[in-house]
Amino acid sequence: GENVEQHPSTLSVQEGDSAVIKCTYSDSASNYFPWYKQELGKRPQLIIDIRSNVGEKKDQRIAVTLNKTAKHFSLHITETQPEDSAVYFCAANEGLRGNNRLAFGKGNQVVVIP
Amino acid sequence: NAGVTQTPKFQVLKTGQSMTLQCAQDMNHNSMYWYRQDPGMGLRLIYYSASEGTTDKGEVPNGYNVSRLNKREFSLRLESAAPSQTSVYFCASSVSGTGVAGELFFGEGSRLTVL
Repeated sequence: GENVEQHPSTLSVQEGDSAVIKCTYSDSASNYFPWYKQELGKRPQLIIDIRSNVGEKKDQRIAVTLNKTAKHFSLHITETQPEDSAVYFCAANEGLRGNNRLAFGKGNQVVVIP
Repeated sequence: NAGVTQTPKFQVLKTGQSMTLQCAQDMNHNSMYWYRQDPGMGLRLIYYSASEGTTDKGEVPNGYNVSRLNKREFSLRLESAAPSQTSVYFCASSVSGTGVAGELFFGEGSRLTVL
């Protein structure tokens, strides 16, 4: 099945700086790559996603880039704010199964220091 | 819309006891999922249902059973609970079925402790 890995596991940034989280995946048939944010004690919520037919997608301070050849995708958060502190999960669909099953990475703890 | 609703939110069991986690969604979604979340392990898929009447094993199905009762409801049953099943369980749903992948909507989670 799909194997998704995230690096680094913990990331501390000064408020206002940028944060970048990278993920790699193993299934060459994967075509959907979402990012979820989970605040402490809350449910995961989608913040941005990208499909394999595009290389980059932006939504205000958040962007995702995809390199299908290298099988990796990254989340970029600019002008970080304290409310960006959370655990971020990347995921990829199991394309070979032809369905909406998502395999998640183990998560990155992002800490924004005021 | 309530979205995805899970019950109970908290449960303590003794080893060997059984219980069922209930999940319901009111978004007319096709797919439903059960994930477990353990510290440092991310979200791991237990079972998945692409549509009413179908279920499929995920990454960690051992010790669990599921029922897709109808389009709205997807329950997870622990027949004989073990301490290794102590975890936070999330139900999720998606409008996608077996076609194009899309956003998962998660419930609030159910924290289960097995003593």
